Amino acid sequence: GQQLNQSPQSMFIQEGEDVSMNCTSSSIFNTWLWYKQDPGEGPVLLIALYKAGELTSNGRLTAQFGITRKDSFLNISASIPSDVGIYFCAGHAGNNRKLIWGLGTSLAVNP
Amino acid sequence: NAGVTQTPKFRVLKTGQSMTLLCAQDMNHEYMYWYRQDPGMGLRLIHYSVGEGTTAKGEVPDGYNVSRLKKQNFLLGLESAAPSQTSVYFCASRSSGEQFFGPGTRLTVL
Repeated sequence: GQQLNQSPQSMFIQEGEDVSMNCTSSSIFNTWLWYKQDPGEGPVLLIALYKAGELTSNGRLTAQFGITRKDSFLNISASIPSDVGIYFCAGHAGNNRKLIWGLGTSLAVNP
Repeated sequence: NAGVTQTPKFRVLKTGQSMTLLCAQDMNHEYMYWYRQDPGMGLRLIHYSVGEGTTAKGEVPDGYNVSRLKKQNFLLGLESAAPSQTSVYFCASRSSGEQFFGPGTRLTVL
């Protein structure tokens, strides 16, 4: 099935650094969602984006819905150890019943 | 609200055995989903439901069946388990655009 291109696949950073990850699609999306998954847990929604160009923050997290509607990015500022986990992007294309998922970005933070 | 709950949390089956995974949500959501997650594969949709009494196939439906007899419950069945079905299974329900996930069921098929 269709998948999003999510990059980078993994990141290893120092505590306090900023992080950026992004997702791209070959088709236009109506919704972009960013999730975080901790080990042994289900994904938890971080940010939802519904309009092209929309920029939304959630604490130290900021995400944007690309103006072309084919991409989105997530930034984490001043990373801390609890930011460790796998971050997934997901979106709705023409058929709004199913989400299309990226393969995830694994983030490790060195204290 | 408990959100989305899944039972059981863990299960070990022998090849050929059957079992049912239960998902329950108390948010009155119409849409519910079953995914499996394998290393390096992300989340793959097995089946989904757009309302009570309806089901539809997702990306990887073979070997699984589902039922949505009540709005709050979505059951995933394995009639004859195979080692390839060893995975972590997640249920989700959906409001306007966002899906909310349960804690997962870790299934091992020997």
